[in-house]
Amino acid sequence: EAGVTQFPSHSVIEKGQTVTLRCDPISGHDNLYWYRRVMGKEIKFLLHFVKESKQDESGMPNNRFLAERTGGTYSTLKVQPAELEDSGVYFCASSLLGAATNEKLFFGSGTQLSVL
Amino acid sequence: QKEVEQDPGPLSVPEGAIVSLNCTYSNSAFQYFMWYRQYSRKGPELLMYTYSSGNKEDGRFTAQVDKSSKYISLFIRDSQPSDSATYLCAMGEDSNYQLIWGAGTKLIIKP
Repeated sequence: EAGVTQFPSHSVIEKGQTVTLRCDPISGHDNLYWYRRVMGKEIKFLLHFVKESKQDESGMPNNRFLAERTGGTYSTLKVQPAELEDSGVYFCASSLLGAATNEKLFFGSGTQLSVL
Repeated sequence: QKEVEQDPGPLSVPEGAIVSLNCTYSNSAFQYFMWYRQYSRKGPELLMYTYSSGNKEDGRFTAQVDKSSKYISLFIRDSQPSDSATYLCAMGEDSNYQLIWGAGTKLIIKP
């Protein structure tokens, strides 16, 4: 069974440019999460999808970030325009059942975003 | 003050040693406590989870939660070089799926 896949693995862009990150969850997982880790800091929650609906986007830093999940399958996270402080590792995770915190999250390998 | 404090290390120990990793927290509403392991250039992988206080053992790994002290621990027995990774604690409240993470401790097991 394929795990959570993220693309690209690395992205280097200039300030002001647009970047789109993609996440393919494990097939059949309705719950999809985006997290971010800025260098030297903790992993922070960004948002949570249940199927195609945004369940919670309270962790999104500002309106330069837009997440979508077309048809409840893969998800994209777009940053437009990117700023220096957006640099970090963006993780996607998926889970099968409800949003209980004790449920196992399966993480992708992350996208390392560098904004220069 | 951070909600979850975790020493970033690195912690370097010889192979076969017992490793103790710890986190402290400030939110008394936390009920779920987890330990994740993250290898370089990989995503976090769930190792252990515990609900409320107590101990949980799985092979060479033991997780302990002391809610009175707001302190959680992960013990690794007979440590192996393959245990070298970053270990992250994460915790959450009932009915709130947002996990709060520690910064992670980098562990190095020397052969």
